[in-house]
Amino acid sequence: EAQLVESGGGLVQSGGSLRLSCLGSGLTFDTHWMGWVRQAPGKGLEWVANINPDGNTRFYADSVKGRFTISRDNARNSLYLQMNSLRGEDTAVYYCGRWTNKPVGGSNRYYMDVWGKGTTVIVS
Amino acid sequence: QTVVTQEPSLSVSPGGTVTLTCGLSSGSVSSDNCPSWYQQTPGQAPRSLIDSTNTRASGVPDRFSGSIVGNRAALTITGAQADDECDYYCVLYVGSGIWMFGGGTKLTVL
Repeated sequence: EAQLVESGGGLVQSGGSLRLSCLGSGLTFDTHWMGWVRQAPGKGLEWVANINPDGNTRFYADSVKGRFTISRDNARNSLYLQMNSLRGEDTAVYYCGRWTNKPVGGSNRYYMDVWGKGTTVIVS
Repeated sequence: QTVVTQEPSLSVSPGGTVTLTCGLSSGSVSSDNCPSWYQQTPGQAPRSLIDSTNTRASGVPDRFSGSIVGNRAALTITGAQADDECDYYCVLYVGSGIWMFGGGTKLTVL
C-alpha cells in the first residue's frame, strides 16, 4: 500500500525552528515531484512548497519563502521541510504529498495522488 | 494577487445533483492549470478525488465527475449520498511553479 508518514511536528516558540520529515513506503518516490501542504485550524488547504525528483528545483508559497526549505533524500525515500523563523500563522497540520504527472498531448498534467496523514505544528 | 475561488458552502438533497466550481481571479481556468479535486472528511487527511485529466481516483464512485465548464473547473456529484457530506478542495497551477488551493466548499446533504 502506498503510504506517506509525516513526523517531527510539535510545539515551538515563535521565532524558533522545526524540521518535518516524511517517509514514503510502498510507492515510487524518486521519480516524482513531492510537496508540502498545510491546513491551519478551521481553515482550508494551503500549498507550501514543491521539490523536483532530483532535488535541485524548489518552489515556495510567498507566505513561507525565505523561511522554509524543502529537501529530499531519495535513497531514504524521505522528504523534509526545514522551518525557521516560525510565526503563529504557521500553526497548522502539515501534509506531505506526492505529485504524479499524467501527460496529455505532450502537456504535463500534475495532481497530488498520495497524501500523508499529517503532523501538527503549533507555534506559541 | 491571484486567488482561487470556490463556493464556501453548497447543499444538495439526497439523490440530487450538485456542481462545485473552481475559478481563477486572474482569468479563465484551462487544462493548463491542471485542476484537480480533493475530498476531506472532518479530522482526516485530504484524499485525491479527481485528477488533472478529469479521471476519478481509484475507488472513487462514478457519481463524481470533473470537467471544465465555461471559465471554471467543475466537480459534479450525480446522485448525492449522505456520506458525500464533507469538504471539497480544488487546486490550480498558476504558473512559475506555484500552486494554489481554493478556499474549499463545505457540502451539506439534506
